[in-house]
Amino acid sequence: DIQLTQSPSFLSASVGDRVTITCRASQGISSYLAWYQQEPGKAPKLLSYAASTLQSGVPSRFSGSGSGTEFTLTISSLQPEDFATYYCQKLNSYPLTFGGGTKVEIK
Amino acid sequence: EVQLLESGGGLVQPGGSLRLSCAASGFTFSTYAIYWVRQAPGKGLEWVSAISGSGGSTYYADSVKGRFTISRDNSKNTLYLQMNGLTAEDTAVYYCAKPSSYSYAVDYWGQGTLVTVSS
Repeated sequence: DIQLTQSPSFLSASVGDRVTITCRASQGISSYLAWYQQEPGKAPKLLSYAASTLQSGVPSRFSGSGSGTEFTLTISSLQPEDFATYYCQKLNSYPLTFGGGTKVEIK
Repeated sequence: EVQLLESGGGLVQPGGSLRLSCAASGFTFSTYAIYWVRQAPGKGLEWVSAISGSGGSTYYADSVKGRFTISRDNSKNTLYLQMNGLTAEDTAVYYCAKPSSYSYAVDYWGQGTLVTVSS
């Protein structure tokens, strides 16, 4: 099965910072990748799918890119409500594996 | 409005069984595959299982294959997860999740139900 590796696992940043999270697949998955945001105690929220398509209602400061085996989620200017944990998920075939997560905390 | 409401979680002893349910509303249930996703305390998300809209195809993570069975009753708009041979590693919040109509990505999640496996 294809594995997803996220980096970093933990990230400390300030409001206004540009933040980039990477997700690497052990084999190519074309553009079949989604990103989610999860706040403590809540269900995840879909941010983007097809690697770079923003879900309706998601602020434009979020952007996704990549294809094949390397993908990135970028937050152009970190806002207080963005401090959360972010997950990638492969969507090309079952199992729909998640990455290990990246926790974004306030510096 | 799409709603997914899980139930059936609780405390169970190692080796025991539990059946989770997910009542769905606000969309045409039979036309969507539905997933179970779990999250152990303080850990990341783990995709567990999926079932096609008709119920004819099922998929499982290796960690639960042979122990868990996913099923659905489209007449009741309800999803199930029968969990047998439970171990401490199965302790988690279990979410019912609906994929979007244009991608396998999840656009709606239930609130989750906690399963605790402990003696």
